[in-house]
Amino acid sequence: GAGVSQTPSNKVTEKGKYVELRCDPISGHTALYWYRQSLGQGPEFLIYFQGTGAADDSGLPNDRFFAVRPEGSVSTLKIQRTERGDSAVYLCASSRARAGYNEQFFGPGTRLTVL
Amino acid sequence: AQSVAQPEDQVNVAEGNPLTVKCTYSVSGNPYLFWYVQYPNRGLQFLLKYITGDNLVKGSYGFEAEFNKSQTSFHLKKPSALVSDSALYFCAVRESGDTDKLIFGTGTRLQVFP
Repeated sequence: GAGVSQTPSNKVTEKGKYVELRCDPISGHTALYWYRQSLGQGPEFLIYFQGTGAADDSGLPNDRFFAVRPEGSVSTLKIQRTERGDSAVYLCASSRARAGYNEQFFGPGTRLTVL
Repeated sequence: AQSVAQPEDQVNVAEGNPLTVKCTYSVSGNPYLFWYVQYPNRGLQFLLKYITGDNLVKGSYGFEAEFNKSQTSFHLKKPSALVSDSALYFCAVRESGDTDKLIFGTGTRLQVFP
């Protein structure tokens, strides 16, 4: 079956611009997660959705970052006034109904480069 | 606060030899532990998990991991390494009762040479 998909695969933008990153989770998965992976580091948690609502957004670094999941499926991560430090690979994952023992399935990521 | 440590940046092993990739964790409650593998230009792939029960967990591609509560460790093992196992391996922990976010280690690069 189809896995988690993310678009675009690569995004190059200029400092100060606005970007949107999209995630399509596995069909039927109600939980969706965003992580950020910087070079040489493990993924860092950003935000987690259960259905349409953000159940935990404690990992968002500041108010320039925002994510939505209006219909409980596709999610968009939005970054305003991008900074060079935002350059990283943004990973999306999904899992079955909330239960911490369910493994998360990851997409291939979006590589964001801020010039 | 939860944390995960992978003390080795890189592990080198000859093909056919056993391999171990180390992971230690710190949580205040009962841990849920996971191993993921990342191949170049590909997303993280789930290998195995420990939730409860038998301390030896078997996963994909012949990998297994041993949960040791007293040493707070969850080392990844394989009896006989393959060149194709060369990749970046991440250990992750989730604390039971907390949100579903995973805390990842910094990763260990496994290099299996012929």
